[in-house]
Amino acid sequence: EIVMTQSPATLSVSPGERATLSCRASQSVSSNFAWYQQKPGQAPRLLIYETSTRATGIPARFSGSGSGTEFTLTISSLQSEDFAVYYCQQYNNWPLTFGQGTRLEIK
Amino acid sequence: EVQLVESGGGLAQPGGSLRLSCAASGFTFSSYAMGWVRQAPGKGLEWVSSIVGDGGNTYCADSVKGRFTISRDNSKNALSLQMNSLRAEDTAVYYCVKSGGAIMVRGVIVSYFYYMDVWGKGTTVTVSS
Repeated sequence: EIVMTQSPATLSVSPGERATLSCRASQSVSSNFAWYQQKPGQAPRLLIYETSTRATGIPARFSGSGSGTEFTLTISSLQSEDFAVYYCQQYNNWPLTFGQGTRLEIK
Repeated sequence: EVQLVESGGGLAQPGGSLRLSCAASGFTFSSYAMGWVRQAPGKGLEWVSSIVGDGGNTYCADSVKGRFTISRDNSKNALSLQMNSLRAEDTAVYYCVKSGGAIMVRGVIVSYFYYMDVWGKGTTVTVSS
């Protein structure tokens, strides 16, 4: 099983600043990697797939990068609606696995 | 509008059974792999099971293997999860998910992308005596 490790567990950032979230895979997942956002009481929402492709309707301030085992989600200028929990996921191998999540909170 | 609506959650006793259903609309259901993802109270996301577009292949997590069965009825745009021998640790919100797409060669699907681009609102399963 590929273990996905997200860091940090909690990130405190002020609105308008940049946020950088990381995810490491225990073995290469090629570019078969996605990011999700989840707000309290809501289902997760796909942000990024294939490492760097924004899903439909996702603002340009969200960008993904990386390859192999190291991946990054960058939010260029945080808006109030961006404070949430973010999960990474690999879909290169079975079983599909998620990271444990990074909580992005207002500083 | 692409939509997934789950139903069938509720309270079950340990060792009992439940059947979850997911009604899909707004897309060509048979062209996409589908699946279930769960989230225990206060915890992260856990993939449970997936099924390819024609139902010919299924995949499931070791934690539910032999107890849960995923199936689909493409004539009804419906996905199901039969859950048997339920345990307290199966308590979670269960989300129906649509997978992102497929790789086609000469009009034939050869593989799928298993990121999850559409999520239902979820249905809650509680296993307790």
